[in-house]
Amino acid sequence: DAKTTQPNSMESNEEEPVHLPCNHSTISGTDYIHWYRQLPSQGPEYVIHGLTSNVNNRMASLAIAEDRKSSTLILHRATLRDAAVYYCILDSNYQLIWGAGTKLIIKP
Amino acid sequence: NAGVTQTPKFQVLKTGQSMTLQCAQDMNHEYMSWYRQDPGMGLRLIHYSVGAGITDQGEVPNGYNVSRSTTEDFPLRLLSAAPSQTSVYFCASSYSIPSTNEKLFFGSGTQLSVL
Repeated sequence: DAKTTQPNSMESNEEEPVHLPCNHSTISGTDYIHWYRQLPSQGPEYVIHGLTSNVNNRMASLAIAEDRKSSTLILHRATLRDAAVYYCILDSNYQLIWGAGTKLIIKP
Repeated sequence: NAGVTQTPKFQVLKTGQSMTLQCAQDMNHEYMSWYRQDPGMGLRLIHYSVGAGITDQGEVPNGYNVSRSTTEDFPLRLLSAAPSQTSVYFCASSYSIPSTNEKLFFGSGTQLSVL
């Protein structure tokens, strides 16, 4: 099964950019890279996803390494409302397999 | 905009009791799924459905049943509750299977305690 590795937690200052890394060395050629986040006491919410090229949306940017064995979620200007657990996910036999994610702590 | 609606939000059961967790979506999504989340862990897939009348097992299906008689509803049944099923349960849906170019929409969760 395709798996991801993320740091358990990261800290960042408010209004600064945040780079959340993810390693996925066993990724196969057709696996999409998905990112979701989960705010305290809420269900997860979609952040961004991509296959090969870097992707941007209103929430974040996704930078994918050329060999696709790693990716980085970029929050351009973190706010206190971005404090959450961020999950980097690949698919495995048409199912999304979730790891424990990275807890992002934002310091005012 | 209702999205994905789960009921109840909280439930306490005694060991051996049965119950059904309800999930409904109003987005005409073909794909629906149930996850459980234990403390400090990511989500684990219990069962999923790619359309009405079609269901399949996920990573941790034992002790749970599902059915999909309509596009909108995807109930999860606990047949005989056990303390190991104490968890937070999330229902999610998407237009098609989420491992392709699709995103999942989640409900707000059901916190279940089995005593």
